[in-house]
Amino acid sequence: DIQMTQSPSFLSASVGERVTLSCRASQNINKYLDWYQQKLGEAPKLLIYNTNNLHTGIPSRFSGSGSGTDYTLTISSLQPEDVATYFCLQRNSWPYTFGAGTKLELK
Amino acid sequence: EVQLVESGGGLVKPGSSLKLSCVASGFTFSSYGMHWIRQAPKKGLEWIALIYYDSSNKYYADSVKGRFTISRDNSKNTLYLEMNSLRSEDTAMYYCAKSGGGYRNWGQGVMVTVSS
Repeated sequence: DIQMTQSPSFLSASVGERVTLSCRASQNINKYLDWYQQKLGEAPKLLIYNTNNLHTGIPSRFSGSGSGTDYTLTISSLQPEDVATYFCLQRNSWPYTFGAGTKLELK
Repeated sequence: EVQLVESGGGLVKPGSSLKLSCVASGFTFSSYGMHWIRQAPKKGLEWIALIYYDSSNKYYADSVKGRFTISRDNSKNTLYLEMNSLRSEDTAMYYCAKSGGGYRNWGQGVMVTVSS
């Protein structure tokens, strides 16, 4: 199975700050990498699919990049409503595997 | 609007069985593969099963293979997950999700608690 490692596990940042979250795969996943946001008590929500495609309705302050084994989610200017846990998911091969998540809080 | 509504969860004893349902609306259910994903309390997400649009193929995570069965009834727009030989480690929120360029649509989830 492909292992997905997210870093950091926890991040505290200020409103307006640029935030970068990382996800590393144990092997090449050919850009089949999604990012999900999960707020407390809610189901996850798709933010970005296939590395850098913004899902419908997601604010443009969210962006994704990467290739091979290393991928990044960037929030260009952190907003209070971005407080959540963020998960990456590889869909390159079965079984699909998620990262353990990065919990993002406001400083 | 796409809607996925899970039901059938609850508190059961180890070794018991339970069948979850996910009723879909707002899209052509019979055209999409469907997945079950779970999340143990305060833990991460785990994909557990996929069924193709026409039930021709099914895939399972090793953690549930041989105990869980995914199925669907396209005439009822409903996805199922039959869970047998439940263990404490199966305690989780179970979500159904629709295939297609990432999991764009999720249900609200249904809680399954396995405890004596």
